[in-house]
Amino acid sequence: RKEVEQDPGPFNVPEGATVAFNCTYSNSASQSFFWYRQDCRKEPKLLMSVYSSGNEDGRFTAQLNRASQYISLLIRDSKLSDSATYLCVVSSGSARQLTFGSGTQLTVLP
Amino acid sequence: DAGVIQSPRHEVTEMGQEVTLRCKPISGHDYLFWYRQTMMRGLELLIYFNNNVPIDDSGMPEDRFSAKMPNASFSTLKIQPSEPRDSAVYFCASSWAGVGYGYTFGSGTRLTVV
Repeated sequence: RKEVEQDPGPFNVPEGATVAFNCTYSNSASQSFFWYRQDCRKEPKLLMSVYSSGNEDGRFTAQLNRASQYISLLIRDSKLSDSATYLCVVSSGSARQLTFGSGTQLTVLP
Repeated sequence: DAGVIQSPRHEVTEMGQEVTLRCKPISGHDYLFWYRQTMMRGLELLIYFNNNVPIDDSGMPEDRFSAKMPNASFSTLKIQPSEPRDSAVYFCASSWAGVGYGYTFGSGTRLTVV
């Protein structure tokens, strides 16, 4: 079983739609959780950290369920510029080692 | 801050040649990571350093790969001899020491071995 599993997609949604991505992780000792965004032929960039109480950054909302070892990302009012691959990231092993999911591809259509 | 700087951006080399990838982490970051990304395998951690000391190199594919960090501002990843299956994008990333900090990635080196 992979340490971090994501639905690869692709998700094709119209502008303005709400879209949700899910991720599960296997290491119950994981302490840190993130969502990264990767544009085509670019490096991954930190989108947001994920906190136990859930957190919001503009149109983006992240949730963490430790009991189910599940993380989610909700994007509201999606924009064309949201088109990218979204990577679920979880700390594993040593506290500073992060494991990246294989990513979920999103395309927002005009 | 200039961010994590990698060079070269692109490298095309012939099978059997030595390839050296370079990375300058963000000043003050204690950790440096080397990743490889391919369509088939996604992002794979190759090796990481803490305060210039290699901590975990279990992701290094084989003896043809080696990495060094002679000081806090420079690291290299070397492949000798290179093979076509080494073709990938190689990313360097750096981070502060605390739990809860994400990584900052460089722009990557796109390696093609022909």
